[in-house]
Amino acid sequence: AQSVSQHNHHVILSEAASLELGCNYSYGGTVNLFWYVQYPGQHLQLLLKYFSGDPLVKGIKGFEAEFIKSKFSFNLRKPSVQWSDTAEYFCAVNANNAGNMLTFGGGTRLMVKP
Amino acid sequence: DAEITQSPRHKITETGRQVTLACHQTWNHNNMFWYRQDLGHGLRLIHYSYGVQDTNKGEVSDGYSVSRSNTEDLPLTLESAASSQTSVYFCASSPDSFGNTIYFGEGSWLTVV
Repeated sequence: AQSVSQHNHHVILSEAASLELGCNYSYGGTVNLFWYVQYPGQHLQLLLKYFSGDPLVKGIKGFEAEFIKSKFSFNLRKPSVQWSDTAEYFCAVNANNAGNMLTFGGGTRLMVKP
Repeated sequence: DAEITQSPRHKITETGRQVTLACHQTWNHNNMFWYRQDLGHGLRLIHYSYGVQDTNKGEVSDGYSVSRSNTEDLPLTLESAASSQTSVYFCASSPDSFGNTIYFGEGSWLTVV
């Protein structure tokens, strides 16, 4: 079975700082990769997803993620964070042997100080 | 607009009681899922369904059951609520194809006292 690891559980940044959140998964086959965001008190929303093609994926609100197959990684980045990016971020994997199920990482709580 | 709704949004119940959380989606998606969210664990899959009359156990299914009598609904039942089941529960749905985006409901906060 696949698993997903997010190494940073809590991240605190000042506005305008650059962000990189790590995500590694364990599965050797074909995968689809997702980053979801959960703003305080809200449900999960899709930030971006990778299915195939260009390994650098651009999402909403200036976020991007890079799929590095050799490292089983899908790190999320943003050049300059804003206070409104304060949220919890979840990496998720959908493996081709798992139907349409997602396996989530444990989440990273980001706090951006104004 | 099509959507996915959960009810109740907040509930407090006593240990040993049966509790049912409702999930209704209007997208006509075949795939539906229930996750629980706990600090430090992210989201963990409880049960899922790929269509009417189909139900499957997920990673943390003990103490939970689901039924799928139509496309739109996947109610989650806690047979005998335990304090360990205090959590936030998210229902989700997706179209059939592998890798399609999964859409989440707004969550149900359940406290078992």
